[in-house]
Amino acid sequence: GNSVTQMEGPVTLSEEAFLTINCTYTATGYPSLFWYVQYPGEGLQLLLKATKADDKGSNKGFEATYRKETTSFHLEKGSVQVSDSAVYFCALSRLTGGGNKLTFGTGTQLKVEL
Amino acid sequence: DAGVIQSPRHEVTEMGQEVTLRCKPISGHDYLFWYRQTMMRGLELLIYFNNNVPIDDSGMPEDRFSAKMPNASFSTLKIQPSEPRDSAVYFCASSPPGQRAEAFFGQGTRLTVV
Repeated sequence: GNSVTQMEGPVTLSEEAFLTINCTYTATGYPSLFWYVQYPGEGLQLLLKATKADDKGSNKGFEATYRKETTSFHLEKGSVQVSDSAVYFCALSRLTGGGNKLTFGTGTQLKVEL
Repeated sequence: DAGVIQSPRHEVTEMGQEVTLRCKPISGHDYLFWYRQTMMRGLELLIYFNNNVPIDDSGMPEDRFSAKMPNASFSTLKIQPSEPRDSAVYFCASSPPGQRAEAFFGQGTRLTVV
């Protein structure tokens, strides 16, 4: 079946540091890939997405490239801010016989300190 | 659009009581998902609907859990009787037609069963 594996947290960085959160997936065919962010006490918000191989999703300085050859969708940001502290979820969507089902990774907590 | 609306935001109930969580999806969306989030198990898909029809309820933990979607603008998740281990944050999400569409999440209902 479909699955998403992402690096365990928490990840603690200093402000302006470079961020990478690894995500790999297992799926048949060509799923769509997503990164969601969850701020404390809130629901998940879509951060970025990519729908086909070699697509790059980007938003708010975050980027991720859909790599089919390595089945990966790593999240990167060149310079993190304290306000980026949150939990980040990698997810895939694959149209199955039953519908458009999202599969999430376990989430990676990011803490950014001054 | 106001987004996905869930009520109540917080619910505290005694063990054995019936609990009903409510969700109003975004107008025009034809998929509706119910998720449960806990520290131990992360984000779990409980059930999802397409065009008001339940497609996959394999994530519903026990017969004590039931979900309905009587029309395109309303869904409920009911737990009867509730138990302390049901304490979690329950999220509703909806997504529009299209196999590569992302899901939009509500703010969640934090349920505490004492």
